[in-house]
Amino acid sequence: AQSVTQLDSHVSVSEGTPVLLRCNYSSSYSPSLFWYVQHPNKGLQLLLKYTSAATLVKGINGFEAEFKKSETSFHLTKPSAHMSDAAEYFCVVSDLGGATNKLIFGTGTLLAVQP
Amino acid sequence: GAGVSQSPRYKVAKRGQDVALRCDPISGHVSLFWYQQALGQGPEFLTYFQNEAQLDKSGLPSDRFFAERPEGSVSTLKIQRTQQEDSAVYLCASSYHRGDTDTQYFGPGTRLTVL
Repeated sequence: AQSVTQLDSHVSVSEGTPVLLRCNYSSSYSPSLFWYVQHPNKGLQLLLKYTSAATLVKGINGFEAEFKKSETSFHLTKPSAHMSDAAEYFCVVSDLGGATNKLIFGTGTLLAVQP
Repeated sequence: GAGVSQSPRYKVAKRGQDVALRCDPISGHVSLFWYQQALGQGPEFLTYFQNEAQLDKSGLPSDRFFAERPEGSVSTLKIQRTQQEDSAVYLCASSYHRGDTDTQYFGPGTRLTVL
């Protein structure tokens, strides 16, 4: 069975400093992994996805994530935080091997950006 | 083009009432998913449609929950005899295919509060 674990429920950074949101996965297959962002009262938006091509994945708004099989990790990073990055971030794995392409979400990391 | 839309955005129901939540997926998208997001949690899968066929309803928490997509486009999630534990945000997502790498596009959700 597939699962993801987000290691921090809350992360606070200062504007202009790097962002690191940590995620570990468990999968019996070569996983498809995603990061989604959820701003208050808005829908989930895809930031980036890993689909067994390049291990370093670049997404929107300057975010990127690196797939590390040896560490079973898929951490999300951004070199310089912006106030507009404040939101909840979900690490997600696709449930492979079944008839459904359902997504399995982590519990989320709430990112706060201080001025 | 328009994204996934959901209505109503907010619904307050008295315990025991029936509710119906609507999802309009992106035009042409074959796959449609419903997820439930409890407060402070990540979304959890409820059910999946491929066109009009409901291929997976393993996530529906009880037989009070029912979903349909009769013409392969708009979908309705119905909850009968609502209970307080049904209070959550109900998210709809659609994707063009069911491939494991296909992006699921989410609507803004319907926040259901059961009093």
